[in-house]
This record gives sequence, C-alpha cells and structure tokens, in this order.
Amino acid sequence: NAGVMQNPRHLVRRRGQEARLRCSPMKGHSHVYWYRQLPEEGLKFMVYLQKENIIDESGMPKERFSAEFPKEGPSILRIQQVVRGDSAAYFCASSSTSLAGASDEQFFGPGTRLTVL
Amino acid sequence: DAKTTQPPSMDCAEGRAANLPCNHSTISGNEYVYWYRQIHSQGPQYIIHGLKNNETNEMASLIITEDRKSSTLILPHATLRDTAVYYCIAAAGSARQLTFGSGTQLTVLP
Repeated sequence: NAGVMQNPRHLVRRRGQEARLRCSPMKGHSHVYWYRQLPEEGLKFMVYLQKENIIDESGMPKERFSAEFPKEGPSILRIQQVVRGDSAAYFCASSSTSLAGASDEQFFGPGTRLTVL
Repeated sequence: DAKTTQPPSMDCAEGRAANLPCNHSTISGNEYVYWYRQIHSQGPQYIIHGLKNNETNEMASLIITEDRKSSTLILPHATLRDTAVYYCIAAAGSARQLTFGSGTQLTVLP
C-alpha cells in the first residue's frame, strides 16, 4: 500500500524560473493538502484541494503560487518566477473522505526540497 | 484551532517510556488532539489522535485529562529511532488545515 508520493525529491531552480511540484495521494484518498516548511521553522498550511476543486487556499501567497488537483493525475503545486525566499521543503498530505465532524488524519509525503539559486 | 503548548525539548533513556506533555487549555468540544512527529526533516508522521477517551495503537498511547485541557503522549519503550520533533495539534475533526507549532524535540539517549 504505497503512501503519499512526491516528486521530485530535490529541485534546484534559478531565480525567475518556474517550479512544479507533484503529489500523488494515497490510494483511495481524495483530499490533498500542501504545506511549506521554511528552514528552521514549522510547517505552514498552504492549500487544500479535492478533485478538480480548490477548497481552501488561505495559506497560499496571492501571487506566483497556484495549485491544482485534476480529475486524472497528481496534484501540482506551481511556483512561477521563483525567488530565493521560496527555498523550502514542500510537503503534501492526503486524507480520505470523511463524514462532517469526524476525525480524519492526514498522511504526509516525503517532501520536495526546493532550492532557488 | 486551539493553541497548544509543549516543552521545547526532552530527553529519554533508550528502553524507557517517553512521556510528552501538551497543554491545550482553550480546546473546544469539537476539537480533537492529534500527535504527529517529524524525524530529521522527513515528512510528518501521524501517530495518534483522540477526542475524550484515552487511545492506544501500535505506536503510542494518548492520555487526555478529564477536563481535556491537557494530554500526554506515551511512547512505552523509546528507541533511538524515536528521536524526532513531536507536534501536538488541537483541531476540529472537520478541520482541513493543521497548525503546527514548535513541538517538542525528543532525544532518546543510548
């Protein structure tokens, strides 16, 4: 039973380039979450998606960042025109569908380490 | 999400029980207590969660006080591989964003 998969595991980009981070949720999971961890800091929520829908993007920077979770294929976190401050570990998590009010743990992938030169 | 407070660091001898406390005095009735850990910059690993009752699984036990204002995560026989940052999170069951604080750095000593 494969866990959450992320690729690439390491990504190096120069300032101004685009970064695309991919996340395949656990089998049977239809909810995907993206978190960012800056060096020496805790994880910060960015966005929550279900298939073809962005449910909550309250933690996503307003510019240059976008996320999608298409009907087929992995979820993509896209960062345009990267800057050095985007250097961080980006973690994806997934959870299964749950009834309203029920607990629903998130399972995390290994992360993508983005380095902007 | 209710704010949680954890000690910044703790040590534990290998083979002994590790008891990690968490204070969540403002927790509301519909909020669960979740525990995750992060080993050396890997992805966070889910450990256990509970609402009111004590919980146990293959990894750990979770003891929640009757007033739900605090809880303790117990690793019954700590090993060196349990060295990690442990995060206590209070969140509604329907919450979709987890708020990670600073956590407790647990170091298991040989």
